[in-house]
Amino acid sequence: DQQVKQNSPSLSVQEGRISILNCDYTNSMFDYFLWYKKYPAEGPTFLISISSIKDKNEDGRFTVFLNKSAKHLSLHIVPSQPGDSAVYFCAALSSGTYKYIFGTGTRLKVLA
Amino acid sequence: NAGVMQNPRHLVRRRGQEARLRCSPMKGHSHVYWYRQLPEEGLKFMVYLQKENIIDESGMPKERFSAEFPKEGPSILRIQQVVRGDSAAYFCASSPPSRAANTGELFFGEGSRLTVL
Repeated sequence: DQQVKQNSPSLSVQEGRISILNCDYTNSMFDYFLWYKKYPAEGPTFLISISSIKDKNEDGRFTVFLNKSAKHLSLHIVPSQPGDSAVYFCAALSSGTYKYIFGTGTRLKVLA
Repeated sequence: NAGVMQNPRHLVRRRGQEARLRCSPMKGHSHVYWYRQLPEEGLKFMVYLQKENIIDESGMPKERFSAEFPKEGPSILRIQQVVRGDSAAYFCASSPPSRAANTGELFFGEGSRLTVL
């Protein structure tokens, strides 16, 4: 049972435009969400997180939006840069647990 | 402050051999996680450990796989009698004791890539 889903395996965006990566979850107990970026042959690196008490968190070019009623979160990257080309994973966590559940990832390609 | 260190980065084993993957968490981190990434798939949770304790091993296959995080030394993921299906990237991550003390992120190592011939 895939509790965290990233339904788009890949996305291509022109440099300078907005990239929107989506993530859906099924477990209503999740209350903390994170986005990670992964380059080939490297480990995932943390990008941004959001608690369920918020609906938006912004850090520079990266903004995460959370819609709890829809059990949906999205990562917006604007403006997109070629260096943003990577696989992006969303992850979710429940309070009181330490089991981070990851989605299957979306491969973003930013075209110069 | 060194990051999460994993070794070996690449490991080749023949079917039936044993694979041992090591992970040293970041300094001050007492929680260690192991994740597996099969080709073209996401990160699958395997096990979560604290020093000398396995907290959650719900993602570990019932046979051939074991993990430990001793009082001294690195965490070790051990795979006995490897099969071709064990070929994957194995990632270790660590976190500090209190999630409230930071953003709640996991810090990942660069992974150990196991190839079973």
